[in-house]
Parts: sequence; structure tokens; C-alpha cells
Amino acid sequence: QSELTQPPSVSGAPGQRVTISCTGSRSNIGADYDVHWYQQFPGTAPKLLISGTTNRPSGVPDRFSGSKSGTSASLAITGLQAEDEAEYFCQSYDSSLSGVVFGGGTKLTVL
Amino acid sequence: EVQLVESGGGLILPGGSLRLSCAASGFTFSNYWMHWVRQAPGQGLEWVSHVNSDGSKTTYADSVKGRFTISRDNGKKTLYLQMNSLSVADTAVYYCARATWVGGYNPYPFDSWGQGALVTVSS
Repeated sequence: QSELTQPPSVSGAPGQRVTISCTGSRSNIGADYDVHWYQQFPGTAPKLLISGTTNRPSGVPDRFSGSKSGTSASLAITGLQAEDEAEYFCQSYDSSLSGVVFGGGTKLTVL
Repeated sequence: EVQLVESGGGLILPGGSLRLSCAASGFTFSNYWMHWVRQAPGQGLEWVSHVNSDGSKTTYADSVKGRFTISRDNGKKTLYLQMNSLSVADTAVYYCARATWVGGYNPYPFDSWGQGALVTVSS
């Protein structure tokens, strides 16, 4: 059971916008820790997609954006493309556990 | 180019021990905190452990505390994970990951990952 809760799956048609939620608590996201997002394709290592809740590392398309409110964060993908089909994980820190925590992951399917 | 290459994975009996290594290149290894993250087959990511830049501070997930030991050799640019008393539940791909301070985020995000080392615990 992950400390950060993500929907197991989301889907959208090419060109559409999808959002992936990451729900935490007052000991992690709600405690003002930063949220990072990773993209993972099958059989490969995760890749940093969004850092510090809203910032895109160099090379990440601006179709990807992040936000946070209260104890939750969200990843939005606009102009969905077939190549976006992957699994997405959120990450933060939990003060009760004194450690890094990940969401359970969300598989994005492009219809 | 930043590179992290894990080695040392394999098949091990329950109760056994294994040591993973992660060889770093392309950056000043001694400047960065390093982490181990694992992923059980078909499952999500689970943070395992972290070590600070000079090796003086370590933290562990409750699931491995007392059984796993993280360490580093900055002269050899290598990160280690000593895993003892292994159980079936420890079966996973183990990734080493670099934590970057760039941006001043808390926690530091993991901006580089190795390709992973598969550890299979089975009788």
C-alpha cells in the first residue's frame, strides 16, 4: 500500500488532455514537500519528467505539466500522443516514515 | 554523459545474501546523494535506501531496515547495497539513482537511473 495514491489507469485519445492525480496526506504532500513525476516504459528505468511539482527538465515537452493543491498533486498531459503511452509515478517525502515515498503508478493508454 | 551501471544481481535462496554494485561515471560522484529503488515484477517503485555524499548518513525503508546496508566508495565511484536475510518479498529489479540538488527541491529528485539489476529470491 503506497503512501501516495494514484489511479491504476487512465486513457485518452490522441490530441486529448488527461490528468493523473497523486493523493497524499499531511505528512507528505500536505507538509509542503515537493512532488516529482517519472515516466517509465516497459523494461526500462524511470525517467524524471517533472521536478519540484511544476518544473520540466531539459528535453521534456511542454505538453507535460504539474500542479499541487493541499495534499494532492496532478500531472497533466495535453495533446496526447501515442508515444506517451507509459506508466507514470509520483514521488515525494513522508515525515512520518522519514523516507522517500512513491505513488503506486498509473498506466496511461492512448486509445 | 552520466552513467550508472548496476551489477551483482542474480538468483539466491531465501535467507541468503547478495551485494549489488552501481558504478558511476560522467559526473563527480562524491558530490551527490545516491539512492536504491526497487520494483517487484509488475509492481510500482519502492524506495529502499539513501546515502549522503560522503557516506556519513544513511536511511532505510522499514521493509529492509536491519537487513540491508548501503555504502559508497567515492574513490572507486561506486555505490553498494549489501542485502542479507533475503526473502521472496525482496525479489525485484534494483535501480541505483542519483539525487540532484539542482533546483533546491525537498526531497531531491532522481535525475539519473541505472538500467537495473534483477534479484530473484527463490528456492
